[in-house]
Amino acid sequence: DTEVTQTPKHLVMGMTNKKSLKCEQHMGHRAMYWYKQKAKKPPELMFVYSYEKLSINESVPSRFSPECPNSSLLNLHLHALQPEDSALYLCASSRNPDSTYNSPLHFGNGTRLTVT
Amino acid sequence: GNSVTQMEGPVTLSEEAFLTINCTYTATGYPSLFWYVQYPGEGLQLLLKATKADDKGSNKGFEATYRKETTSFHLEKGSVQVSDSAVYFCALSDRGSSASKIIFGSGTRLSIRP
Repeated sequence: DTEVTQTPKHLVMGMTNKKSLKCEQHMGHRAMYWYKQKAKKPPELMFVYSYEKLSINESVPSRFSPECPNSSLLNLHLHALQPEDSALYLCASSRNPDSTYNSPLHFGNGTRLTVT
Repeated sequence: GNSVTQMEGPVTLSEEAFLTINCTYTATGYPSLFWYVQYPGEGLQLLLKATKADDKGSNKGFEATYRKETTSFHLEKGSVQVSDSAVYFCALSDRGSSASKIIFGSGTRLSIRP
């Protein structure tokens, strides 16, 4: 069982919808991440929160809006998505925000998003 | 810049066969090296790691040795099982780097026949 919980597992949304993805961890990790994974590809980093503050935005379009309400929760708000945004969205956490050198990532099982 | 190169998949083996998945890296510093595994329908899980040259990471019968002289971190298992069917990602993280500096290889899909 993964210690990072993501909901929902599957989401189908139209291009005019607004939806949110949720992620929760209770390991006391102070870094949380959103990744996007297309089929047969490695994960691509989208956002990083360090100590509940956005520290990295990898030039992600504004139709994706992250939020970190507290140290255990991470949301990804979706609005006006395009069909090419269909992918597996993975949340991850790590103990030390300042270095992943010795602080591996812990991933959730992801939300499979389909944009119609 | 840093990079990770993995052998192309898919790799198909019979149960109890010996497995090697090659991984080589390029790094300017002294990175940590990782193998992550992704089972069907799941996220990535850390399989093993090594943080310095000559370290051997091991878990669930899998092993990988950090070889600085050949810049390699090949994944091996002596006898694979059907349950090992998954996608395997080699990754590196440079010393002092943030999450944006985690470099994943392209992944190698492994299928094990009963």
